[in-house]
Amino acid sequence: AQTVTQSQPEMSVQEAETVTLSCTYDTSENNYYLFWYKQPPSRQMILVIRQEAYKQQNATENRFSVNFQKAAKSFSLKISDSQLGDTAMYFCAFMGNNAGNMLTFGGGTRLMVKP
Amino acid sequence: SAVISQKPSRDICQRGTSLTIQCQVDSQVTMMFWYRQQPGQSLTLIATANQGSEATYESGFVIDKFPISRPNLTFSTLTVSNMSPEDSSIYLCSVSLSGANVLTFGAGSRLTVL
Repeated sequence: AQTVTQSQPEMSVQEAETVTLSCTYDTSENNYYLFWYKQPPSRQMILVIRQEAYKQQNATENRFSVNFQKAAKSFSLKISDSQLGDTAMYFCAFMGNNAGNMLTFGGGTRLMVKP
Repeated sequence: SAVISQKPSRDICQRGTSLTIQCQVDSQVTMMFWYRQQPGQSLTLIATANQGSEATYESGFVIDKFPISRPNLTFSTLTVSNMSPEDSSIYLCSVSLSGANVLTFGAGSRLTVL
């Protein structure tokens, strides 16, 4: 079974600065997908970024980028120019290629952006 | 991406009662899932709602406690039966469009059991 680990329960960053959230995972599969979801206090789960394991290039979405290290099974999220609206829980998630689109989530990192 | 409407948004229930949560999607979707998020915790998959057949439950979840219906490709319900305070959680519906390999989530239903 796949496992996803987020080792940072809480983090904080000053507005406009950069922060990196860590995620590691364990799988025996070669093809899979990795995700970062954001859950603000409204509790709506919002997709931040998605990475396909067969792609070597790191995914980027505006201020959000990932550092995907397949051999190390590491998938960190970098948030640049942090904004107050980035304050939320961030969940790393894994989807196996043969998992029927099921997601396995990490424990989450609570990010606070300070003015 | 799909738009998901989940009802109720929140509810407060008495111990021993049951509550049904509805999930309506604005387009036909292949896969529908129900997740539970206990207070301060991550999301745990309860079951996959299969259209026209019984739901597939994950370890630790049983049909008698969490009966699920999926009468068509745009709608599903999750019932939390014989509730206890330990069932107080956010319940989230999620869907995957065919071939998309990404899940979209509803806004969740926050359930408090007294």
